[in-house]
Amino acid sequence: QKEVEQDPGPLSVPEGAIVSLNCTYSNSAFQYFMWYRQYSRKGPELLMYTYSSGNKEDGRFTAQVDKSSKYISLFIRDSQPSDSATYLCATDNTDKLIFGTGTRLQVFP
Amino acid sequence: DAGVIQSPRHEVTEMGQEVTLRCKPISGHNSLFWYRQTMMRGLELLIYFNNNVPIDDSGMPEDRFSAKMPNASFSTLKIQPSEPRDSAVYFCASSFSPADSYTFGSGTRLTVV
Repeated sequence: QKEVEQDPGPLSVPEGAIVSLNCTYSNSAFQYFMWYRQYSRKGPELLMYTYSSGNKEDGRFTAQVDKSSKYISLFIRDSQPSDSATYLCATDNTDKLIFGTGTRLQVFP
Repeated sequence: DAGVIQSPRHEVTEMGQEVTLRCKPISGHNSLFWYRQTMMRGLELLIYFNNNVPIDDSGMPEDRFSAKMPNASFSTLKIQPSEPRDSAVYFCASSFSPADSYTFGSGTRLTVV
């Protein structure tokens, strides 16, 4: 079993939709959780950073961590075509980050 | 800060040739990571350094790959000899510490023909 699992998609939604992106992880010791966004032909960039359980909101983006089920989510409200990218979840493994394989999101006008 | 700087942006080389990828991390960052990204496997960690010292190279695919970090502001990833299956995008990332958030460079797209 991989330490972090993520559905690769692709996920295609109309503009304005609410998007839900999800990951599961295997190690209950993981404490920090991140979401990276990667545009085509670019490097991943940090989007959201959360610690332990709970929600964190930043504009149209909400990151949610449920440690009891080892489940992390990223919600995008009022999705825009500019949100079209690959989204990677990541968590710490004490000495390095572990990344999911990424979910490709396409928001069409 | 200009961010993590990688060069070259694109590299096309013939099988058997030596390839050297370069990275300049963000000033003040103590950790540096080399990743390879393909459609099939996603982001794979090849090696990472902390304070210029290689800490974990378990992701380096084979002896053809080597990495160095001679000082805090420069690192290289070398492939010799290169093979077509090495074709991928190679990313360098840096951070303040190994489990901190990473800043990625723009990547080097390597094509081995």
